[in-house]
Amino acid sequence: GAVVSQHPSRVICKSGTSVKIECRSLDFQATTMFWYRQFPKKSLMLMATSNEGSKATYEQGVEKDKFLINHASLTLSTLTVTSAHPEDSSFYICSAKQGDYEQYFGPGTRLTVT
Amino acid sequence: AQSVAQPEDQVNVAEGNPLTVKCTYSVSGNPYLFWYVQYPNRGLQFLLKYITGDNLVKGSYGFEAEFNKSQTSFHLKKPSALVSDSALYFCAVRPWNSGNTPLVFGKGTRLSVIA
Repeated sequence: GAVVSQHPSRVICKSGTSVKIECRSLDFQATTMFWYRQFPKKSLMLMATSNEGSKATYEQGVEKDKFLINHASLTLSTLTVTSAHPEDSSFYICSAKQGDYEQYFGPGTRLTVT
Repeated sequence: AQSVAQPEDQVNVAEGNPLTVKCTYSVSGNPYLFWYVQYPNRGLQFLLKYITGDNLVKGSYGFEAEFNKSQTSFHLKKPSALVSDSALYFCAVRPWNSGNTPLVFGKGTRLSVIA
């Protein structure tokens, strides 16, 4: 199956700093990528849908100025958490869509804000 | 809008016994249905999907699921559980031909297989 990578897998940052997470589709071109957030022992919450070359569509309640998403190419989308706070600590998972129905998921990034 | 219900937060089963993880869904029109498994601090791994055709779908690691349109269910099953099957399982759905509509996930069911 198709492979999606995320980098870094784990990051610790200080409150007030910004953190960038990369999501790459390694062996296919993904016109659409999705960013999810997972709280401990909870399901995945969709944050935004990212289409290559256009602005991301954010879900209700997700601050687009805080969670900056860029989908500059067919194989790369980035999520930047700006001015991070401890409550932003979470597990962030990206997903890339291939074809009409397949979604492939990255391994996730554990963000801890101290 | 589509939704997924996984009624059990936790399922416990003895090793070697059959297991079932329940999932029901709500979607406009025909569904695409998926099961994913997540191990601690890892992303989601695809297990199986139903798109069309045979209602019984076989997937990875000996898992299977049966699509039941009248009951709007897609329960995950395995005839003989292994300790290594212990993980968090997610059911997901999206409508047919829905373009870039993302998958909607259930809340997850934690499976614990006891030796």
